[in-house]
Amino acid sequence: QVQLQESGPGLVRPSETLSLTCSVSGVSVNPFYWSWLRQSPGKRLEWLGYISHISYRDYTKYDPSLNSRLTISIDTSNNQFSLRLTSVTAADTAVYYCARHPTGIQPAGYFDYWGQGIQVTVSS
Amino acid sequence: EMVMTQSPATLSVSPGERVTLSCRASQSVRGHLAWYQHKPGQAPRLLIYGASTRATGIPDRFSGSGSGTEFTLTINSLQSEDFAVYYCQQYNNWPPVTFGQGTRLEIK
Repeated sequence: QVQLQESGPGLVRPSETLSLTCSVSGVSVNPFYWSWLRQSPGKRLEWLGYISHISYRDYTKYDPSLNSRLTISIDTSNNQFSLRLTSVTAADTAVYYCARHPTGIQPAGYFDYWGQGIQVTVSS
Repeated sequence: EMVMTQSPATLSVSPGERVTLSCRASQSVRGHLAWYQHKPGQAPRLLIYGASTRATGIPDRFSGSGSGTEFTLTINSLQSEDFAVYYCQQYNNWPPVTFGQGTRLEIK
């Protein structure tokens, strides 16, 4: 069955870069769309961005509020994708989730598989 | 910005009861709405997409309805494993997508 597992540091210092990886098993990352989301304490789930690898090209889309700080990449050889968020502040403290979009003629905007989430705290 | 509002915030019910959770969009999302179940420490679980289509493996006691701006998730004959937080999510003209703030279903 399809499983997603987030990994990365639980603590990041302010102004540094947060890097997380989502390892996918049970299905190839190609050609699905894969997203990162997060939920900060007391706030709603927030979509951060997606990536897809189709026909030897990577396609990405980011939430405009994070556009300049966020990079999502994909590693088809290791069947995983990653998030890189620069210049983090306390506002980036959240549980981060990776998730898959179902595919079809066009990818759907909802998520059929999720990871269980990883807590990331930004603090000195 | 599209805002999704869920009500109530918390619902206390007994096993075996029927419950209806509401989700309202600040503007029409047509039928592009999904519902998720989330238990602490677990991955969120897709229940409903397209406002009313059950995801694979979801029991038929879960049903979704609505279109435009008003949506409901109904759970018939609540089981112990159904006590969780439920989120609605719109994906009309995505990205972006937006989520409701959640309804917590707790045991009375």
